[in-house]
Amino acid sequence: DAKTTQPNSMESNEEEPVHLPCNHSTISGTDYIHWYRQLPSQGPEYVIHGLTSNVNNRMASLAIAEDRKSSTLILHRATLRDAAVYYCILRDTRGTGANNLFFGTGTRLTVIP
Amino acid sequence: DAGVTQSPTHLIKTRGQQVTLRCSPISGHKSVSWYQQVLGQGPQFIFQYYEKEERGRGNFPDRFSARQFPNYSSELNVNALLLGDSALYLCASSLGIVLNTGELFFGEGSRLTVL
Repeated sequence: DAKTTQPNSMESNEEEPVHLPCNHSTISGTDYIHWYRQLPSQGPEYVIHGLTSNVNNRMASLAIAEDRKSSTLILHRATLRDAAVYYCILRDTRGTGANNLFFGTGTRLTVIP
Repeated sequence: DAGVTQSPTHLIKTRGQQVTLRCSPISGHKSVSWYQQVLGQGPQFIFQYYEKEERGRGNFPDRFSARQFPNYSSELNVNALLLGDSALYLCASSLGIVLNTGELFFGEGSRLTVL
């Protein structure tokens, strides 16, 4: 699977939008972009995923560049509960073992009250 | 509805011992995956099981083994424990084996300390 590059850490003020970037320059046409987050002392939690078009759900929005070499997870209003490590993951579902997600080290988001 | 449940939540073992970790997936989910998360790193894939068959294996030694039962619950076994096996072991379940339309649901993990 192609790998992703994320900043190690980011800070945001509470109630402000947060844009978490992810670079994936070697993405293939069949790779889906998944985002998970891991709150302290918990297992990872699914946030959102997409292929080509921008995606919205109740938790966040995913903006995908036209060439798909980068994407941005957008939290519209950061809360203290959003403080977590955010992982950007590419998954090619053509192969077997489709649940093999490569997490990397992610971006640690700190939300400042 | 119950999420993914794992047991035990914490355990301490000594080098050379064996450990069994258990996982119950979300009701209706047929796929279970296991991940190892060492402190300060992201989770690393160990195994995936679907319909009681191994469908994927990560880069882990043969000391690591797993199985899935008819009720779709799963066990992860680690033999001849090493200090480096100290980690959070995460179980995740999903409806099927393809994730392009679905998500992976994780439990809170089993924290293993090897002394």
